[in-house]
Amino acid sequence: EPEVTQTPSHQVTQMGQEVILRCVPISNHLYFYWYRQILGQKVEFLVSFYNNEISEKSEIFDDQFSVERPDGSNFTLKIRSTKLEDSAMYFCASSDLGTGPMNTEAFFGQGTRLTVV
Amino acid sequence: AQSVTQLGSHVSVSEGALVLLRCNYSSSVPPYLFWYVQYPNQGLQLLLKYTSAATLVKGINGFEAEFKKSETSFHLTKPSAHMSDAAEYFCAASYNQGGKLIFGQGTELSVKP
Repeated sequence: EPEVTQTPSHQVTQMGQEVILRCVPISNHLYFYWYRQILGQKVEFLVSFYNNEISEKSEIFDDQFSVERPDGSNFTLKIRSTKLEDSAMYFCASSDLGTGPMNTEAFFGQGTRLTVV
Repeated sequence: AQSVTQLGSHVSVSEGALVLLRCNYSSSVPPYLFWYVQYPNQGLQLLLKYTSAATLVKGINGFEAEFKKSETSFHLTKPSAHMSDAAEYFCAASYNQGGKLIFGQGTELSVKP
């Protein structure tokens, strides 16, 4: 069964360092997403990506964040200068077009736990 | 603002008992609605989704949910809980064409033997 894979599963980084979280979406999917979940809080939308550009982003997704699909298979989230409050579980998701992205299932990866120290 | 509310951050039931996890959405326009489950150290897995075809939706593992527009609710139920149902359950809504999901706070389900 096709799945979304994320690497690494856990990353520890020092405050101020750059991190790149990697995701391989399901191959025939067209929509890609990043979400995060701070410990004890709800899952929050960060950004959606379609047709090689950001289609929507949340207030959380400020200039410190960027996304890229560098080679047609990977989908990355970069945090330029990490802060303590960036510590969270980051989930990548993808979906196909189906009858429309609103009602099409999003498939989630297992997440990358980012710890900023 | 569009939001999803799950009543009860932690629900505990006995094995064999009814499971009821509550979810309400806030919008005058009904969104598309989803229930996801997260087992420990795993990603989010879709249980079921409402896409306006039918108000009673059946999902995997014996779960079902009923969309009630008058109550703006989409509660998740299962007639008889199994130990393997212990997990965190998330209700989510999609309001726009981009497919962005808005999640509820999550409900942790514990099943006692």
